[in-house]
Amino acid sequence: EAGVAQSPRYKIIEKRQSVAFWCNPISGHATLYWYQQILGQGPKLLIQFQNNGVVDDSQLPKDRFSAERLKGVDSTLKIQPAKLEDSAVYLCASSFRDRLNNEQFFGPGTRLTVL
Amino acid sequence: KNQVEQSPQSLIILEGKNCTLQCNYTVSPFSNLRWYKQDTGRGPVSLTIMTFSENTKSNGRYTATLDADTKQSSLHITASQLSDSASYICVVTDTASKLTFGTGTRLQVTL
Repeated sequence: EAGVAQSPRYKIIEKRQSVAFWCNPISGHATLYWYQQILGQGPKLLIQFQNNGVVDDSQLPKDRFSAERLKGVDSTLKIQPAKLEDSAVYLCASSFRDRLNNEQFFGPGTRLTVL
Repeated sequence: KNQVEQSPQSLIILEGKNCTLQCNYTVSPFSNLRWYKQDTGRGPVSLTIMTFSENTKSNGRYTATLDADTKQSSLHITASQLSDSASYICVVTDTASKLTFGTGTRLQVTL
């Protein structure tokens, strides 16, 4: 079974530039999550999709971050414009459905460095 | 506020030795607790999951325990190997399916 795919793996940009990350979840997984993991910290949920609908985006900085999952499969996360404090690893995860004991499977992440 | 605290923050042990990582949480109402292993440059991978009624769960050389009364969990690694070097993250889910992540314990196994 193929895992969660993310690209790019690494990205370096200057502050005020824009960047986009892509995620393709495990086939058949209805729920997709984007996390931000700052060095030395645990992941922080940015947004959760159920199919193509947003379930939770309470911690997404909506003035600069946006995400979509138009067809309910793959997803993109965009930052515009980027700030220095956005430097982090952005993890995408998926689960079969949003059930209490459903395991989330994580992708390898995209490491973003903002200079 | 839901919180998950892990200790120690980092740990260095010799190959072949055992170690125990701790997780204390204040998440309520509690649903389940997972331990994840995160290798450098990779996403977290689930090791164990325990619900309220379970107090121990094993996965090979990894054994997790849960005390729901004191809201504490531990992850015990037996006969450590170099490949165990990673961050170990404790994640607690509440009954609304909200996950709270700990900051992790960084384990280094050396020769």
